[in-house]
Amino acid sequence: KNQVEQSPQSLIILEGKNCTLQCNYTVSPFSNLRWYKQDTGRGPVSLTIMTFSENTKSNGRYTATLDADTKQSSLHITASQLSDSASYICVVSPTGGFKTIFGAGTRLFVKA
Amino acid sequence: ETGVTQTPRHLVMGMTNKKSLKCEQHLGHNAMYWYKQSAKKPLELMFVYSLEERVENNSVPSRFSPECPNSSHLFLHLHTLQPEDSALYLCASSQGVATETQYFGPGTRLLVL
Repeated sequence: KNQVEQSPQSLIILEGKNCTLQCNYTVSPFSNLRWYKQDTGRGPVSLTIMTFSENTKSNGRYTATLDADTKQSSLHITASQLSDSASYICVVSPTGGFKTIFGAGTRLFVKA
Repeated sequence: ETGVTQTPRHLVMGMTNKKSLKCEQHLGHNAMYWYKQSAKKPLELMFVYSLEERVENNSVPSRFSPECPNSSHLFLHLHTLQPEDSALYLCASSQGVATETQYFGPGTRLLVL
């Protein structure tokens, strides 16, 4: 079982609507948690980064939250656009070592 | 553009071929990474280099051989691959290792026949 689980696996929403993607992790202790966006045919691009002591971080229409007690993070996308269609990947960096642990991603489709 | 380039973008090779993937970063970073991304699976870390020294080899088969001649360039040499090695191979760089944000290249889409 992966230490970073994301849900849903895929999601279809209408342009202009909001959506929330979930990330549950068991990695502990950890240094930071990131959300990446990966467009088709491209590498992932960092959207937000939160340390274990932060609760929320925004980047334009993207807002990430972190609840270290329940080991959950969410990525909220406001007023979705067609260009938001992509995979969104949750990544946790354990304290110490070189490995970062990736979730399998949520594939988001925004329809006109 | 993220400042990390990869060539080729697409590669088709037979199981007996030898090929190399190239990655170059223009960000002045000290760490570079190779990842394998298969459909619907999390990214798998393959190798990590810090200041041109390999610091992580994540149980990767010997048919994959990395090379880091300097802090800006990273290669992945491929030989006698298997069809299950078909995947997207991503290169990334970061200022330091582990906790730093990684900047990814566009990847090389590899198909092994």
